[in-house]
Amino acid sequence: GQQVMQIPQYQHVQEGEDFTTYCNSSTTLSNIQWYKQRPGGHPVFLIQLVKSGEVKKQKRLTFQFGEAKKNSSLHITATQTTDVGTYFCAGFGGAGSYQLTFGKGTKLSVIP
Amino acid sequence: ETGVTQSPTHLIKTRGQQVTLRCSSQSGHNTVSWYQQALGQGPQFIFQYYREEENGRGNFPPRFSGLQFPNYSSELNVNALELDDSALYLCASSRPGGGNYGYTFGSGTRLTVV
Repeated sequence: GQQVMQIPQYQHVQEGEDFTTYCNSSTTLSNIQWYKQRPGGHPVFLIQLVKSGEVKKQKRLTFQFGEAKKNSSLHITATQTTDVGTYFCAGFGGAGSYQLTFGKGTKLSVIP
Repeated sequence: ETGVTQSPTHLIKTRGQQVTLRCSSQSGHNTVSWYQQALGQGPQFIFQYYREEENGRGNFPPRFSGLQFPNYSSELNVNALELDDSALYLCASSRPGGGNYGYTFGSGTRLTVV
């Protein structure tokens, strides 16, 4: 079945440093979504990417979808302590697929 | 608008017992999905309900079953509980069109099987 892999598993950064997490799928995705889960919380939807090569920005967050629609990345510029949490990518398979497959996530710690 | 609400928040059950978890979807959302999240892992898709019918299922055994009601709320039932069923169970609802607009997750039910 479809697998979604994320690296790194953990990332510790000094406040103000940049952070990037990478997501790779074993199959072509119809779209990819990103979620953030704060410690003790639940996943919160951040964004969806649909088009090949798409780039979207939300303030300090930049999301990219690969040309082959099999990989994606999330980049945070100048991290803040409020960025702490686990970032998950999740993808739907082919047309008609209702199963959203999550990666294992990247846990971000920000040292003040 | 109200979000997704789940009950109970925490539950302790004995191996072999049965459990029912409940979820009220966000206003305007007609699709409900259930996920199991083990500690340190990403959520795993259990199944999805739309118009009171299951329309997608992940790699979970038949002892995991569900219902969706006319008001779009949902239940997850797990029979013959096993120790490995201990996890956070998340309900997520979405707008018509499925998850193309992102899922809204509830705070989850933390199930412990002893």
